[in-house]
Amino acid sequence: GAVVSQHPSWVICKSGTSVKIECRSLDFQATTMFWYRQFPKQSLMLMATSNEGSKATYEQGVEKDKFLINHASLTLSTLTVTSAHPEDSSFYICSAQTVGTSGSAHEQYFGPGTRLTVT
Amino acid sequence: AQTVTQSQPEMSVQEAETVTLSCTYDTSESDYYLFWYKQPPSRQMILVIRQEAYKQQNATENRFSVNFQKAAKSFSLKISDSQLGDAAMYFCAYIGPGGTYKYIFGTGTRLKVLA
Repeated sequence: GAVVSQHPSWVICKSGTSVKIECRSLDFQATTMFWYRQFPKQSLMLMATSNEGSKATYEQGVEKDKFLINHASLTLSTLTVTSAHPEDSSFYICSAQTVGTSGSAHEQYFGPGTRLTVT
Repeated sequence: AQTVTQSQPEMSVQEAETVTLSCTYDTSESDYYLFWYKQPPSRQMILVIRQEAYKQQNATENRFSVNFQKAAKSFSLKISDSQLGDAAMYFCAYIGPGGTYKYIFGTGTRLKVLA
């Protein structure tokens, strides 16, 4: 149980174009999804938190107009990198969190990540 | 603000030996959760073990156990009988009470297992 998928796993796009990354919770409903960015040999950097049906909350320094997040349903969140540039090349990881129950750890289940290369 | 510190960028262990990875954190909360995640070369984040702060007993999952010292704000991971498949980045993470339950990650420790 608790499987999260991401699509695509690897994408190459030209500078100036937009690319969409999907994150799906396959066997559970995720009230909250998170998007991270990870540079080589570094930790995960939280970009934004999204709740189903509401606007995403972006971390300080993350451009909301560049990284568009949509959490349209309890099983799907999308991250769109608009007008991508080479500096946006990175590894993007999503995670999904279920509704907390009494005593639950509110742990996050991670997708396998998407490698974005902007040429 | 809460912080998580992993002071060992890299560790090595001989196969079948035991290794301990360190993690310290800073928080003013009394109720929170701590996690260790493993990230192998595939980069898929895998939950290794979790600890609820209100539980005094240290969590254990097969060869993995933690030493949770709440007063010292320390949460180390012990890997016994190390295997080649344990080689990975290990991240310590904290979740506080309330709010959006965002993880605060440490910077990670790269574990090498020597045959």
